[in-house]
Amino acid sequence: QAVVTQEPSLTVSPGGTVTLTCGSSTGAVTSGHYPYWFQQKPGQAPRTLIYHTSNKHSWTPARFSGSLLGGKAALTLSGAQPEDEAEYYCLLSYSGSAVFGGGTQLAVL
Amino acid sequence: EVQLVESGGGLVQPGGSLRLSCAVSGFTFSSYWMAWVRQAPGEGLEWLANINEDGSGKYYVDSVKGRFTVSRDNAKSSLYLQMNSLRAEDTAIYYCVTDMGYWGQGNVVTVSS
Repeated sequence: QAVVTQEPSLTVSPGGTVTLTCGSSTGAVTSGHYPYWFQQKPGQAPRTLIYHTSNKHSWTPARFSGSLLGGKAALTLSGAQPEDEAEYYCLLSYSGSAVFGGGTQLAVL
Repeated sequence: EVQLVESGGGLVQPGGSLRLSCAVSGFTFSSYWMAWVRQAPGEGLEWLANINEDGSGKYYVDSVKGRFTVSRDNAKSSLYLQMNSLRAEDTAIYYCVTDMGYWGQGNVVTVSS
């Protein structure tokens, strides 16, 4: 099965912008991988921020956006807030199956 | 409002079986793929299985193939995960997830003697 890679950790300043990426061992990530982005805070269930590359839920803060960037899926946070400190996971689909990335621990400092 | 209510978790001995259920409301269940995801203590998320809209297509991660079976009952808007030959490493919180990324509350499964 494919391996999905994410940055293990990133730091962003309050109010700053950061981009998290999600790569695939099989090659470029496309919309056909239906990329998802999830946020998980300690002790809580994950929640979906982005599905199918760039679609947001009603609860997704406007400062989060999803895209494809340089052959990877990307989650951009513009105007980071302290409450955005969390673990972020991406998920890619592969012809029916799916694989999570290892997660990115985002610090807002 | 979309709701996913899970049930069926608990403590089971190694080699035992459990059946997880996920009752869905608030959207047209029969029109969407569904998935099971788990998270072992202190670990990341692991995708386990997908099932397509009518249940004719099922996909599994290698670690559960032959032991876990995903199914659905569209008439009851319910998703299931039959887990057999359970191992200690199957201890985790199990979540049902919709195609659009709605999550259940999670169900704790503990495999221990």
